[in-house]
Amino acid sequence: GESVGLHLPTLSVQEGDNSIINCAYSNSASDYFIWYKQESGKGPQFIIDIRSNMDKRQGQRVTVLLNKTVKHLSLQIAATQPGDSAVYFCAENRGSNYKLTFGKGTLLTVNP
Amino acid sequence: NAGVTQTPKFQVLKTGQSMTLQCAQDMNHNSMYWYRQDPGMGLRLIYYSASEGTTDKGEVPNGYNVSRLNKREFSLRLESAAPSQTSVYFCASSSWVGTDTQYFGPGTRLTVL
Repeated sequence: GESVGLHLPTLSVQEGDNSIINCAYSNSASDYFIWYKQESGKGPQFIIDIRSNMDKRQGQRVTVLLNKTVKHLSLQIAATQPGDSAVYFCAENRGSNYKLTFGKGTLLTVNP
Repeated sequence: NAGVTQTPKFQVLKTGQSMTLQCAQDMNHNSMYWYRQDPGMGLRLIYYSASEGTTDKGEVPNGYNVSRLNKREFSLRLESAAPSQTSVYFCASSSWVGTDTQYFGPGTRLTVL
C-alpha cells in the first residue's frame, strides 16, 4: 500500500555538523517529493522539493537526494544550526492525485 | 503578503457544540486544503478544494463540512464536536492540485471536552 516512512524518529547532532534525515516511500508511482520543517507550535514550512526526473537538488544549506531504485529520499542539512531544531516531514504526491501523503516526521535536535 | 492565515489560534468546545475554522490565502492559489495533525498520526487530509466552486473529501471527512467561500477563503465546520476531533487543524493552499507545493497556515489548536 501507500506509505511514507522514516528510518529514524529522532536525530541529535552537534551545532556545525551535517545532518541527514531519511525517508522511505513505497509507491513507485510517486513523482513529486517535498520536505517540510515544522517548529513547535507552528505550521509545516516548505524547505525543498524534487521531482522524480531528478536525483539531486540543492538549496541554501540543504540538499535532497532521491534514489528511485530503492525508493529512498534524504534531506541533508549542512552546518546545522540551533535554529534547525524542528520536526522534518517528507511527503509524496502521485502527479494528478490531489493527495499529499506525509511521513510521521523526524525530530532533529541541535546541541550547541 | 501574509501567505495562509487561520483563525482562531486556539479553541475549546464542549461535546455537541459547533464551530467554524476560517482560512484565507493571499497568494492567488487555486487549490486549498484542510488537514488535521494528531500525535503519531502525521498530517491527514480532511477536505480539499481543487478550485473555486469545488470541494472533495479527503482521508478523514466524517464529522466535518467545508465551504469554499471565494478564491481566497476556505472554511471548515464542525457541526457537532466530539472529543475525537481534538486536534491541531492546518489549512494549506497551492497553485493547483497535484504536483504543486502546498503552503501551510499556522494552525488552530482545538480541544473538545
